[in-house]
Amino acid sequence: DAGVIQSPRHEVTEMGQEVTLRCKPISGHDYLFWYRQTMMRGLELLIYFNNNVPIDDSGMPEDRFSAKMPNASFSTLKIQPSEPRDSAVYFCASTLRGRKPQHFGDGTRLSIL
Amino acid sequence: KNEVEQSPQNLTAQEGEFITINCSYSVGISALHWLQQHPGGGIVSLFMLSSGKKKHGRLIATINIQEKHSSLHITASHPRDSAVYICAVSRPGNQFYFGTGTSLTVIP
Repeated sequence: DAGVIQSPRHEVTEMGQEVTLRCKPISGHDYLFWYRQTMMRGLELLIYFNNNVPIDDSGMPEDRFSAKMPNASFSTLKIQPSEPRDSAVYFCASTLRGRKPQHFGDGTRLSIL
Repeated sequence: KNEVEQSPQNLTAQEGEFITINCSYSVGISALHWLQQHPGGGIVSLFMLSSGKKKHGRLIATINIQEKHSSLHITASHPRDSAVYICAVSRPGNQFYFGTGTSLTVIP
């Protein structure tokens, strides 16, 4: 079975531009998580979904960030407008019933210039 | 104060050595996770445990709920074990708290 698939792997864009990160969870998994990793703050949970419904978005840094999960096989994390401090690696992970170890995607390395 | 503390931050070992990484946490949890992140950046979930001990190959994870402490042991360490090991705890409602990681280097 394919793992969690994230795209793009790398994104470089200018400050102020809209950025969209994509994630395809493992088929059948009902929980999806978005994380951000930086040198300064380590790994942080941004938001998670259960059965496509956002459950906890308290980790989303500010209104410039939004996440959607229109169906069980696709989620997006959008930043608009982007700022240099958003530069980080963004990971998506999925799991079944939230009680099993999570499967992580390879991450999207985002650089905002 | 961090909810999850790991020690040591950095660890260098000779191939074959027995390695222990420690994790202490200060909140009530539903589960504790050990993650491995290789230099290429990918993250793999090694263990998810809420009590006792789990073993997978040369890796062993233990947890003491009363003491709010977990250890990750690597027996017969190998250079390919070189990675960052991250402890995380999940709380009811799926809140997650992460440690800052332990960077392990195993020298041949």
